[in-house]
Amino acid sequence: ETGVTQTPRHLVMGMTNKKSLKCEQHLGHNAMYWYKQSAKKPLELMFVYNFKEQTENNSVPSRFSPECPNSSHLFLHLHTLQPEDSALYLCASSQAGTGDQGTQYFGPGTRLLVL
Amino acid sequence: KQEVTQIPAALSVPEGENLVLNCSFTDSAIYNLQWFRQDPGKGLTSLLLIQSSQREQTSGRLNASLDKSSGRSTLYIAASQPGDSATYLCAVRYSSASKIIFGSGTRLSIRP
Repeated sequence: ETGVTQTPRHLVMGMTNKKSLKCEQHLGHNAMYWYKQSAKKPLELMFVYNFKEQTENNSVPSRFSPECPNSSHLFLHLHTLQPEDSALYLCASSQAGTGDQGTQYFGPGTRLLVL
Repeated sequence: KQEVTQIPAALSVPEGENLVLNCSFTDSAIYNLQWFRQDPGKGLTSLLLIQSSQREQTSGRLNASLDKSSGRSTLYIAASQPGDSATYLCAVRYSSASKIIFGSGTRLSIRP
């Protein structure tokens, strides 16, 4: 088991629902990431937070809304999703800063199905 | 456009063989490169990370090399075991802050 946890592990939601994914890291890292992994596509970086500040939004639709209240927690708020948003959503963390190693540690992911 | 390519997409070899997985990237100005394994339905597990100033990293039966000039990295697995069966992903970071790009992965199957 890694030091990065994600809940829920599985989620089924309708297109009109609002749900949130949660990620927590217990590694003392200061950078956190959301990735989307769809079938037969490379892992896609969605958002990056460094020291609780969003440093990258990789052209993600506004129906995905991230929140990083502190360095240990990261949320992904979901609303009015589309069936093509069904995927495995992975959270990762790393130690950011000058000269850091940058090794990313991943959580187990949330398998999302949008009906 | 910065891209990361992994070939082959799938590989099946008998147990005990040594094998090499390939990763190529289009922009040589990388910050670091990381190899991961992913088991079905699971998250990613970091295997090796190579900084741009390094040529290789080793961990147990794994050895990763980096050749920035040719835009290539290889992951060498010695004496393969059925437990090595997984998808292996290569990820390139282009700055210290972010900009990480993943390859599509190589799905490895080790036959007993």
